[in-house]
Parts: sequence; structure tokens; C-alpha cells
Amino acid sequence: EAQVTQNPRYLITVTGKKLTVTCSQNMNHEYMSWYRQDPGLGLRQIYYSMNVEVTDKGDVPEGYKVSRKEKRNFPLILESPSPNQTSLYFCASSLDRVNSPLHFGNGTRLTVT
Amino acid sequence: SQQGEEDPQALSIQEGENATMNCSYKTSINNLQWYRQNSGRGLVHLILIRSNEREKHSGRLRVTLDTSKKSSSLLITASRAADTASYFCATAPSGNTPLVFGKGTRLSVIA
Repeated sequence: EAQVTQNPRYLITVTGKKLTVTCSQNMNHEYMSWYRQDPGLGLRQIYYSMNVEVTDKGDVPEGYKVSRKEKRNFPLILESPSPNQTSLYFCASSLDRVNSPLHFGNGTRLTVT
Repeated sequence: SQQGEEDPQALSIQEGENATMNCSYKTSINNLQWYRQNSGRGLVHLILIRSNEREKHSGRLRVTLDTSKKSSSLLITASRAADTASYFCATAPSGNTPLVFGKGTRLSVIA
């Protein structure tokens, strides 16, 4: 089954403790992206990747890192999480950045205390 | 950078009625897409309409695009309780920049 898999689904952590949210897709998509969703602010892009070893900042990249060492994986790294990074995070992938629909993972609900 | 804005923010209708949601955007686009999100879950793609298309259908969904007014509408006919969700428009601006999402319309269909 074609899908985008994110893990974990829920995560509660403390300020400053490094964490990684994994994202994997099995559709051989070139484009992958991370979003955060907050009430009243909608979906905002954090980082995106056009292909292996190619990543770019989105609208809200501060406090996040990503890597794209393999085509299928695009982990989101929070080196030193802070409470304002408490949010619902989504990974998505598509064939290309512009003309193809995005396939979303089921989300990771992160709470930083 | 928010490009698309949906209207209304929330909509409540009876089962069997039609639901219409609108999206306005600011710059020229390659395409416009509509997505659906059930509470707390990932978004699901519904329809993609290209800038040179005016109308597109998929089952009970009908999307129109008016590039002169920079607006789109999503019509759900004969709504069902299972259509209850948030609906987002997303625009792919010209110039190969990433997709930009609006804040969504929350649709409630009452049985």
C-alpha cells in the first residue's frame, strides 16, 4: 500500500532534550516536506527536499533540522526543543513540488514541557 | 506565507444539503488543490485543478477555478455525515515555489 509513515504518533518530551521524528515513503517520490499545524495558523511549511541531499527552508525553519540521505526517508530533528514547538507535525511527499498532489502521513502530536 | 484563504471558516449544514466552500488567493498560480482533513489526521488530496482549467468533477465534488478573480470553489453535493471534516485549499504559485495552504473551512454535516 502506498503510504507515508511517520513515527511516533504521539511524543511528550522536556525542553532541551533532542528528538527525531521519522518519516518514510514507499512511492519513490522525489519531493518531501514537513509541516506544522497550529490552531488559527493553519499548515505552515518547515523544510522541504527536492531530492536526495537537497533540502530547503520553508516558512518556519527555526529550531528544526532535516536530512535527506535516502530518497525514502526525511527525518525531522529538534536539537533543543522548546515549548513553542508543541504542535501537530505532518510529513508529506509527492512526485514533484508543484504539479502533483501531496500524500500526507498521519501526523505526530508533539508536546514539549 | 499564507496564499489561499478559505471562506467561510466554519459551515454547518443538514445531511443531504450541498456545501460550498470558497478559496481566494493573491498571486498567479500553476494549479490549485483541495484537501480534506478528518480531526487530527493527515490531509487527503481531493482534486487538483490546473490554471488553464475552469471546472473539475470527482464523484460528489465539483471544483471551479476563476483565475481572473483569483478564486476557487469546492461544492460537495448531497452531503453526508461522513463529509464532516476540515477542507483546505492549497495553491502552487507560479515560479516553482512550494505549495501554500490556507487555514481551512470546518464543515459539520448534521444527520
